[in-house]
Amino acid sequence: RKEVEQDPGPFNVPEGATVAFNCTYSNSASQSFFWYRQDCRKEPKLLMSVYSSGNEDGRFTAQLNRASQYISLLIRDSKLSDSATYLCVVNGNTDKLIFGTGTRLQVFP
Amino acid sequence: SQTIHQWPATLVQPVGSPLSLECTVEGTSNPNLYWYRQAAGRGLQLLFYSVGIGQISSEVPQNLSASRPQDRQFILSSKKLLLSDSGFYLCAWSLDLARWPQHFGDGTRLSIL
Repeated sequence: RKEVEQDPGPFNVPEGATVAFNCTYSNSASQSFFWYRQDCRKEPKLLMSVYSSGNEDGRFTAQLNRASQYISLLIRDSKLSDSATYLCVVNGNTDKLIFGTGTRLQVFP
Repeated sequence: SQTIHQWPATLVQPVGSPLSLECTVEGTSNPNLYWYRQAAGRGLQLLFYSVGIGQISSEVPQNLSASRPQDRQFILSSKKLLLSDSGFYLCAWSLDLARWPQHFGDGTRLSIL
């Protein structure tokens, strides 16, 4: 089993839609969780950290489910500019951050 | 605030030629430093990381090496490039290995001909 797994997508959604991605992780002892955004041919950029109680940043909401070992990212009122690949990041078995392979989101007009 | 510089942005090299990519970080001391490679349409592959000057950990056996001659300088090298070395190379820094997020440079797109 991979340490971090994501549905590669693509998720094709219209502007204004709500979309959610999940990411599962294998290490039950993981303590650090992040979501990154990567635009085509660009470097990954930190979108938000994920806290135990869940957290929100504008249209973005991150949640952690320790029992089922997954984190989620919810995007409300999708914009064209949200089109990107979203990377899930978790500290893995060797206590380094492990990057998922990403979920691609395409928002269409 | 902290910044990370990586150069060059684009590089085209012939097979068998040497490689040197440099990354520097400003605004922090004793950062953890990382080199990643990303093939087209694929995920990030961690190549090397360093927790201090002269300390290099290699994640995968390959044709590349890394060095950290100064606290905020990380260099990726090869003596002879292979076609399979093509990709998008990213340098990153963080405050520690597991608890703090990593921050990436702009990347170097390397094409081997």
